[in-house]
Amino acid sequence: NAGVTQTPKFQVLKTGQSMTLQCAQDMNHEYMSWYRQDPGMGLRLIHYSVGAGITDQGEVPNGYNVSRSTTEDFPLRLLSAAPSQTSVYFCASRPTGFADTQYFGPGTRLTVL
Amino acid sequence: LAKTTQPISMDSYEGQEVNITCSHNNIATNDYITWYQQFPSQGPRFIIQGYKTKVTNEVASLFIPADRKSSTLSLPRVSLSDTAVYYCLVGDDWNQGGKLIFGQGTELSVKP
Repeated sequence: NAGVTQTPKFQVLKTGQSMTLQCAQDMNHEYMSWYRQDPGMGLRLIHYSVGAGITDQGEVPNGYNVSRSTTEDFPLRLLSAAPSQTSVYFCASRPTGFADTQYFGPGTRLTVL
Repeated sequence: LAKTTQPISMDSYEGQEVNITCSHNNIATNDYITWYQQFPSQGPRFIIQGYKTKVTNEVASLFIPADRKSSTLSLPRVSLSDTAVYYCLVGDDWNQGGKLIFGQGTELSVKP
């Protein structure tokens, strides 16, 4: 299993540009989430999904869109990038049930100029 | 969601035992307590999970008192490689509906 994969690893955008961060998992997990981590800070939940076709907002959803058309993929779209969105973005997946663990991807480091 | 409070940072020396306490006063009956570890430039990884009393694995021990309003992660004989951020999470999957919230975490620095 590849686990949770994210692309790209690094990205530089200009203010106002849009882009999609890709996330895929091959573990057939129902739950997937996107987090952002600013320098020296903890992780903040952006959006999450409990299954294909079902998404919901997390703590900091503004400026981001998600969709979940398949169990495997959970892309994160930045609609109009702003410098405040400069951060490291982590995608995660887990089976249902809090007793199970959450697996994280390697992260995407995004810089918005 | 049960709110958690942890120290922002802790310092230790190699070979010492480190105890990180997490307060979760409004923990619910069905909530589990889970700890994650995050190294720089990596995503967090699961360390240990418990519901009550004591849980031990090859990495750490988790102590949970009877009232479950706090929990303590214990790392025996730490080394430099244990320098990381440690997160305490409290929740019940069925009530949270898949939402997993991380707090600020505790930044542990192990010195030689």
